[in-house]
Amino acid sequence: GENVGLHLPTLSVQEGDNSIINCAYSNSASDYFIWYKQESGKGPQFIIDIRSNMDKRQGQRVTVLLNKTVKHLSLQIAATQPGDSAVYFCAENRGIKAAGNKLTFGGGTRVLVKP
Amino acid sequence: DTEVTQTPKHLVMGMTNKKSLKCEQHMGHRAMYWYKQKAKKPPELMFVYSYEKLSINESVPSRFSPECPNSSLLNLHLHALQPEDSALYLCASTPNSGTDVEQFFGPGTRLTVL
Repeated sequence: GENVGLHLPTLSVQEGDNSIINCAYSNSASDYFIWYKQESGKGPQFIIDIRSNMDKRQGQRVTVLLNKTVKHLSLQIAATQPGDSAVYFCAENRGIKAAGNKLTFGGGTRVLVKP
Repeated sequence: DTEVTQTPKHLVMGMTNKKSLKCEQHMGHRAMYWYKQKAKKPPELMFVYSYEKLSINESVPSRFSPECPNSSLLNLHLHALQPEDSALYLCASTPNSGTDVEQFFGPGTRLTVL
């Protein structure tokens, strides 16, 4: 079946450095790939998405790269801050018209920002 | 109002109890979702309601019974649960069905089944 997974379970990064979180997927008919951030005691929070026909998208301090050749997704966070400490999930989205969106999440990476 | 609220925050129940989880949003969203998240695992989709009708059921056991009384409310009725059903139950919503990517999540209800 389809699978979305991550290479690293925990990433420690110095405050101010850039962070890179990776995600691999095996097979997908998804139309979007998405990154979510989940802080302790909270629900997941949408960060950024990328359509399956794109290879790069930038947001505020974040960049998502999609490499369909090797089925790899990454999230780059510039100038990592203490508030970036959280678990990050990649997810694939399949929109089913009039039925909703099916999100399949990857395993998650914990990012710890050291002061 | 730009948030999804869930009540209660915490729930402890026995295996013979009947309880309900509640989710509410006042953003006019027409699709609502239930997810289950075990500790240190990603959320897993359970149900999707689209325009107040159940549109997706991810083969969830019948001891979980969803209900969508109106476009702002989503309930999850629980009956005869097992200890392995202990988890964080998350509710989410999107403006429309199948066309909006960003899901807005509530904070979840942490359920413990004894």
